[in-house]
Amino acid sequence: AQSVAQPEDQVNVAEGNPLTVKCTYSVSGNPYLFWYVQYPNRGLQFLLKYITGDNLVKGSYGFEAEFNKSQTSFHLKKPSALVSDSALYFCAVKGSTLGRLYFGRGTQLTVWP
Amino acid sequence: GAVVSQHPSWVICKSGTSVKIECRSLDFQATTMFWYRQFPKQSLMLMATSNEGSKATYEQGVEKDKFLINHASLTLSTLTVTSAHPEDSSFYICSAHPTGSNQPQHFGDGTRLSIL
Repeated sequence: AQSVAQPEDQVNVAEGNPLTVKCTYSVSGNPYLFWYVQYPNRGLQFLLKYITGDNLVKGSYGFEAEFNKSQTSFHLKKPSALVSDSALYFCAVKGSTLGRLYFGRGTQLTVWP
Repeated sequence: GAVVSQHPSWVICKSGTSVKIECRSLDFQATTMFWYRQFPKQSLMLMATSNEGSKATYEQGVEKDKFLINHASLTLSTLTVTSAHPEDSSFYICSAHPTGSNQPQHFGDGTRLSIL
C-alpha cells in the first residue's frame, strides 16, 4: 500500500531563513511523489514532482525537494522563506490505480517577518 | 498551465436541499476526476473516483446515494449532494488527472458548502 507521512503539523521560520518541510513515504514499486500547497479557502496548487532522474527536483516559487531513496524521504526545501510562503503543504504519492494520490496530513508553514 | 474550474465556490442553503457542484478541466481532457472532502486544518479525504462514461468508484463509508457523481464528458464531472443536512457542510475539492500517467493532478479551487 502507498502512504506518506508528514511528521510535523506546524513549521515556523523567520523570513529569509531556509525552510524544510518533511515527508517520508512507503510504496510498493517506484515512487511517484508530489508536493502541493494550499492557501486558505483554495484548492491545491502543484509545486513539484519526482518521477525519475535527478534526486533534486526544482519546482515553482523557488521550492525544491530532495528525493532520498535510502531514507524514503522527499523533503521540501526553500533557501530563503517569504512571508507569502505561509500556507498548508501536502506531500503525496501516486497510487497504482488511475492516478489516485495518497496525501499526508499536511504541514502548516508559518513564515514570520 | 492546466486549469480546473470548480463552481460554485460558495453555497449556503437550507437543510433538505440538493446541491450540484461542477468540475471542469478547461484546457485538457480528463478521463478520471477525483472528488475530495476536507475538514478544517485537515488533509483531503478522497470520496470517489469519477470515470468518464462509467460509474464512479466510491471510497468505503461514502454513501453513493447521498453523493451522486456524473462524469458525462472528458471535461466535466459533477457532484450532487442530495438532501443535504448540516453534517454535510464541508469544503469539497475536485481534481482532474490529465491523460498521461505521470502528469500531476490539477485541483479546482474548492466549494464551501454550508447547510443551515
